[in-house]
Amino acid sequence: ETGVTQTPRHLVMGMTNKKSLKCEQHLGHNAMYWYKQSAKKPLELMFVYSLEERVENNSVPSRFSPECPNSSHLFLHLHTLQPEDSALYLCASSLGAGLKGEQYFGPGTRLTVT
Amino acid sequence: GQNIDQPTEMTATEGAIVQINCTYQTSGFNGLFWYQQHAGEAPTFLSYNVLDGLEEKGRFSSFLSRSKGYSYLLLKELQMKDSASYLCAVRHYPNDYKLSFGAGTTVTVRA
Repeated sequence: ETGVTQTPRHLVMGMTNKKSLKCEQHLGHNAMYWYKQSAKKPLELMFVYSLEERVENNSVPSRFSPECPNSSHLFLHLHTLQPEDSALYLCASSLGAGLKGEQYFGPGTRLTVT
Repeated sequence: GQNIDQPTEMTATEGAIVQINCTYQTSGFNGLFWYQQHAGEAPTFLSYNVLDGLEEKGRFSSFLSRSKGYSYLLLKELQMKDSASYLCAVRHYPNDYKLSFGAGTTVTVRA
């Protein structure tokens, strides 16, 4: 149990659907992250929120829309996705970024776009 | 930007030692992390280096040379449960919320 939970664990959606991924951290952290992990490719940072403010948007297409209502919850809203968006989406949290600031990851949502 | 290289796959025998190398080129550096990721699971933190030298933690050790842009993760007394992907990640400077990851090294431990 890493203290970071994600729902759903698996999601299949059509290109015209709208869905949301949810992440919750129970570690008292103040920064949260969305990553995309595709097969045989490095984890790609998508968004970073610190104290509920977005501090990083890594040139992500607008069909991905993040929301951070408080320091414990993070959402990723999805609409009109493409098949190449199929991947594992990982959420992470950390206690700031100073000193060590290691990130703790959730188990991910396996997304398939049909 | 960041360019991070690590071998794709390594195989070793139970009880042996394996060293996973990671080289990086960076415009700003503020530490290097190693994570372990078992198939279908979340990456978990293993080690962090920000100063040159060796950090030892049980069977796992991590080394950093900032001047050479080089790190390695050393796994000793390998166990079957060590079969996993090992991810090298460099933290940026000054945007230290940002990590850039290598593609990962898949280690297979054989009996």
